[in-house]
Order: sequence, then structure tokens, then C-alpha cells
Amino acid sequence: AQSVTQLDSQVPVFEEAPVELRCNYSSSVSVYLFWYVQYPNQGLQLLLKYLSGSTLVKGINGFEAEFNKSQTSFHLRKPSVHISDTAEYFCAVSEGGGYQKVTFGTGTKLQVIP
Amino acid sequence: DTAVSQTPKYLVTQMGNDKSIKCEQNLGHDTMYWYKQDSKKFLKIMFSYNNKELIINETVPNRFSPKSPDKAHLNLHINSLELGDSAVYFCASSQGTGGVYGYTFGSGTRLTVV
Repeated sequence: AQSVTQLDSQVPVFEEAPVELRCNYSSSVSVYLFWYVQYPNQGLQLLLKYLSGSTLVKGINGFEAEFNKSQTSFHLRKPSVHISDTAEYFCAVSEGGGYQKVTFGTGTKLQVIP
Repeated sequence: DTAVSQTPKYLVTQMGNDKSIKCEQNLGHDTMYWYKQDSKKFLKIMFSYNNKELIINETVPNRFSPKSPDKAHLNLHINSLELGDSAVYFCASSQGTGGVYGYTFGSGTRLTVV
């Protein structure tokens, strides 16, 4: 069965500094990987996804993520954060195809400090 | 024009009551879901419907009953509410499987059972 680990529950970072949010997954087959963002009192919004091809995936709001198969990781990065990036970020994994379930990580709260 | 809309946004009710949450999507997606997010932000799938057919039914109490009158609507009825049912319930939709294309989430219904 697949699983997702987000090691950092909270990440504080100063405005305009770079940030990396870590995500590791476990699966015995090929996977599809996702990052979602949840702003306060809102639903989750898809930031980016990796299905196949280039391991560097660009998403909305200047975020990108890199798929590393050997390290089973899919870390999210942004070179310069803004106050508006303060939110909860969820990594998710699917074993794809059919109606396979998506498993979400426990989330990382990104706190941008002015 | 909201893509996935849920009503109500907030629901406060007493133990033992029966309540319903409604969800509608105008994206033309053929798959809809109910997710539960607990107080620690952990997201767990409850149900999934594809073109009105139940395809995922996780281990949830049978007090929870989903209904999909058509592929644009998915409602959730909860009987005999318990304190532990307090959570945020998210409706989501996807074109095909969310494990490949990603989900579009509603803004959530915060259920508080007192």
C-alpha cells in the first residue's frame, strides 16, 4: 500500500527567502504525485502534479517540485516566498489508473514571516 | 461561478440529530468524492461516485449515506450524529480518476456536533 510522509509539520520562513517543503512516499509500483495548497477556511487547490516525463514540474504561484525516484521524494520549492504563501501544503500520492485512491500526507504549515 | 459548491458552509447541531450536506459541480466532471478532514488536518476519503455509481466506499459508519442523483451532484446524509463526527467535510470532483488528473475541491462544510 502507498503512503506519504511530510516530515515537517511547520516551516517558518522569512518573506523573500527560499523554501523547500519535504515529501517522501512509499509504493511498490509507479506513482503519480501531487501537491495541494489549502488557504485558511478554504478547500484544497492543486498546485502541481507529476505523472511522467520531466522530473522537474512547475506549478502555479511560482512553485516547482522535483521527482526523485531513487530517494522516493517529491519536494516542493519556491525561490522567494510572499506573505500570501502562508498556508497548509499537502503532498499526495496515487498508484494511478482505474479508481485508485489518493493518499494525502499530514500537511506542512508554511508560515511566512514579514 | 463556483466550480464545486457545498452547502451549508457551517453546520452546528446536537448529538443524535440527522443532517445533510449538499454538493454540486459545474465542471462536467464524471467523478465526485467526499473527504473528511479532522482537527489535525488529516484527509481521509469516505466515498467516491463515478456517473452516479458508487466506486469507493471506505470503512465509515453506516450512519453516513451518500447519494448521487446525477453526475453533477453528490450529497451526504448523516444519521444519529455523534461528537466524533465533528470535522470539515470536503466534496471534490475530477475528470476520470483524481489519482491521475487531480481533484477540484469545494470550500468545505465545518460540522460541529455539540
